[in-house]
Amino acid sequence: NAGVTQTPKFRVLKTGQSMTLLCAQDMNHEYMYWYRQDPGMGLRLIHYSVGEGTTAKGEVPDGYNVSRLKKQNFLLGLESAAPSQTSVYFCASSYFGDEQFFGPGTRLTVL
Amino acid sequence: SQQGEEDPQALSIQEGENATMNCSYKTSINNLQWYRQNSGRGLVHLILIRSNEREKHSGRLRVTLDTSKKSSSLLITASRAADTASYFCATDADTGGFKTIFGAGTRLFVKA
Repeated sequence: NAGVTQTPKFRVLKTGQSMTLLCAQDMNHEYMYWYRQDPGMGLRLIHYSVGEGTTAKGEVPDGYNVSRLKKQNFLLGLESAAPSQTSVYFCASSYFGDEQFFGPGTRLTVL
Repeated sequence: SQQGEEDPQALSIQEGENATMNCSYKTSINNLQWYRQNSGRGLVHLILIRSNEREKHSGRLRVTLDTSKKSSSLLITASRAADTASYFCATDADTGGFKTIFGAGTRLFVKA
């Protein structure tokens, strides 16, 4: 039982490049979330999903897109990366919106 | 804007002392959760308290909730060096439980 895994762990992008972050969970959770965490701050919700095939915007969705084609996977895409998107990205999942289980994070730097 | 605001921002105590962190929020909630984050790692769920509960215990943790004041507190008793971490409160911001809004956190440092 791996829990929540994230790929990759680290990435450096140049401004304007695109990339996709992958989150996978093996707990059969319905809900999945993408957050970003900036230095000295809490987590801010980017997008979330309440089930396979569904997605919704969080607090800071601009510049990001998501997809939930399979229940166990939640993908976060950056179409044209900007330095303001330099952050640590966390994925989480929960059964029905209560206790969330977090992945180890992806540290992204945009130059 | 963030729903939960923790106080203090940072706390330094000696091993064996109790640590108290507070969280205030703005809108009505269904539940409030506390999480711990060790440096550079993902968050770990500590405890959830529902809006109809006033107090909850889990090991050395005690959480209280006062919905009239829109505030919660987390007490860690007999702290240990391993408790050194950041602690975050999170609320469902009265969105039917779909979204969780985190505060900025309290950084706790426990000196051995």
